Amino acid sequence: GAVVSQHPSRVICKSGTSVKIECRSLDFQATTMFWYRQFPKQSLMLMATSNEGSKATYEQGVEKDKFLINHASLTLSTLTVTSAHPEDSSFYICSASLAMGETQYFGPGTRLLVL
Amino acid sequence: QKEVEQDPGPLSVPEGAIVSLNCTYSNSAFQYFMWYRQYSRKGPELLMYTYSSGNKEDGRFTAQVDKSSKYISLFIRDSQPSDSATYLCAMSDRLNTGNQFYFGTGTSLTVIP
Repeated sequence: GAVVSQHPSRVICKSGTSVKIECRSLDFQATTMFWYRQFPKQSLMLMATSNEGSKATYEQGVEKDKFLINHASLTLSTLTVTSAHPEDSSFYICSASLAMGETQYFGPGTRLLVL
Repeated sequence: QKEVEQDPGPLSVPEGAIVSLNCTYSNSAFQYFMWYRQYSRKGPELLMYTYSSGNKEDGRFTAQVDKSSKYISLFIRDSQPSDSATYLCAMSDRLNTGNQFYFGTGTSLTVIP
């Protein structure tokens, strides 16, 4: 149980384009989903927390207009990287929890490369 | 000072060895402690989840929490090459920070056959 999927697993795009990453909880309803990014050999950096049906809460330093998060249902959250630039190249990982205060289950991650 | 400190390693041990991984933290309000295993280019996988102080055992893995010392450990017995991965500790206090987790930087472990 508690499986989280992400799509796509890998994406290469040109600078200036937008990329959408999907995060799905497959066998449970996720009240809360989290988006992280991870640079090589570094730990996870929380970008934002999203609750179903409400606006995402962004961490300090994360541009909400650049990283658009939508949590339209209890099983799906999307992260859209708008006008992507090479410095946005990273490993993006989502996680989901059953409810506030529950442990987080991570997706397999999406590797984004912006050329 | 970081909320959570973890030695990044790398740590290299022979197969069959006992591995000890550790994290220290500064926030005494943390009550929930997790260990995740992350293989290269994959998302973290939950290994152990502990509330408050004490020990928890699951197969070859034992998690220990010492809240008085603000120190948590993960022990791996009879280590296997398949245990080679990065191990991340995470913790939260839930009530004050919602569900935000604070992660260590991860310790890279290699088990040599």
